[in-house]
Amino acid sequence: QVQLQQWGAGLLKPSETLSLTCAVNGGSFSGYFWTWIRQPPGGGLEWIGEISYGGTTIYNPALKSRVTISIDTSMKHFSLKLSSVTAADTAVYYCARGVGVRGRSWFDPWGQGALVTVSS
Amino acid sequence: EIVLTQSPATLSLSPGEGATLSCRASHNISSYLAWYQHKPGQAPRLLIYDASNRASGIPARFSGSGSGTDFTLTISSLEPEDFAVYYCQQRSNWPPLTFGGGTKVEIK
Repeated sequence: QVQLQQWGAGLLKPSETLSLTCAVNGGSFSGYFWTWIRQPPGGGLEWIGEISYGGTTIYNPALKSRVTISIDTSMKHFSLKLSSVTAADTAVYYCARGVGVRGRSWFDPWGQGALVTVSS
Repeated sequence: EIVLTQSPATLSLSPGEGATLSCRASHNISSYLAWYQHKPGQAPRLLIYDASNRASGIPARFSGSGSGTDFTLTISSLEPEDFAVYYCQQRSNWPPLTFGGGTKVEIK
């Protein structure tokens, strides 16, 4: 059974770069779309972007200028970097496995989530 | 961008009752809709994909229906563990993929 385990810094100052990593334990790493999704406090879910096994990325246009998703196939990890963070980036960040076709997935399973707080 | 509107925002029901949750899309998304269950402090869980297909391990009391712009998640008889927030998500039009605002199913 596939499990996603994520980690990264939980407290950032404005203008810093958010960095999170998600490890995929069990199951196949290829053939899926490795995705980041976030949920601000009291808010809804926002799709950030995805990366394929081959390294092809698709990003949310609203975040595209600040987002980088990368993949390490040897370690079965994928990572998120979000630059120039502000308080508006405070959220629980989830990694997830995208199932379907490129850019058009449903998500199963999800990681446990990581709260990232941006505060001066 | 496809906007998904979920209703009601909150549903107050008792265990054993049935629940009907609605998700409306701003444009035709065919059957490209998924439903998730989300409990506090836990990862969201996929329930239904492509409008009506139950994900692996999901009990038969969960069912999905609809196509085009109007979709429904039905829980036939609420179990205590079903009280949670439910989100719909479309995969028809991208980027970005989008989620609805959620329906909270709470104990009456």
